[in-house]
Amino acid sequence: GNSVTQMEGPVTLSEEAFLTINCTYTATGYPSLFWYVQYPGEGLQLLLKATKADDKGSNKGFEATYRKETTSFHLEKGSVQVSDSAVYFCADSSYKLIFGSGTRLLVRP
Amino acid sequence: GAGVSQSPSNKVTEKGKDVELRCDPISGHTALYWYRQRLGQGLEFLIYFQGNSAPDKSGLPSDRFSAERTGESVSTLTIQRTQQEDSAVYLCASSFRGSSYNSPLHFGNGTRLTVT
Repeated sequence: GNSVTQMEGPVTLSEEAFLTINCTYTATGYPSLFWYVQYPGEGLQLLLKATKADDKGSNKGFEATYRKETTSFHLEKGSVQVSDSAVYFCADSSYKLIFGSGTRLLVRP
Repeated sequence: GAGVSQSPSNKVTEKGKDVELRCDPISGHTALYWYRQRLGQGLEFLIYFQGNSAPDKSGLPSDRFSAERTGESVSTLTIQRTQQEDSAVYLCASSFRGSSYNSPLHFGNGTRLTVT
């Protein structure tokens, strides 16, 4: 079955630092790939997605590229802000989302 | 507009009691999912509904767990004879069809269940 592995947190960065959160997947077929974000005290929400190989999802300055050759979907942002502090979940899907374990990001001013 | 609504938001129960958790999906969303999130851990898939049928129940941890959905809307997740390891946040999500059709999941805020 499908599975997702993402880097463990917490990840602590200073404001304006570069962010990478690694995510790799195993799947049969051609899943869609997603990043979801959970801000403190809020529900999970979709951050970005990519539906086929070489697609790049982007939103709020975050980007992730669907790399079939490395089965990866790493999340990146060039300059993080304090407001980006949250837990980030990578997920893949056939008909149901399979989530990674989440990576907590803490951005300090 | 209304999002996914879950109730109660918090539930404290004694070990051995039954609990019922409710999810109201977004109107018109045919797919509905239940996930569990234990403290500090990722999301664990429990069950998936397409309409009123559940083609995938593979994530239900034991026969103490059951779920139903009626009228292609409200779903209830029932946990019988609760145990302390059932303590978690139970999340419901809905989507227009199913994520295989690239419809994003919309999550509720969850029900935090504490079994004492």
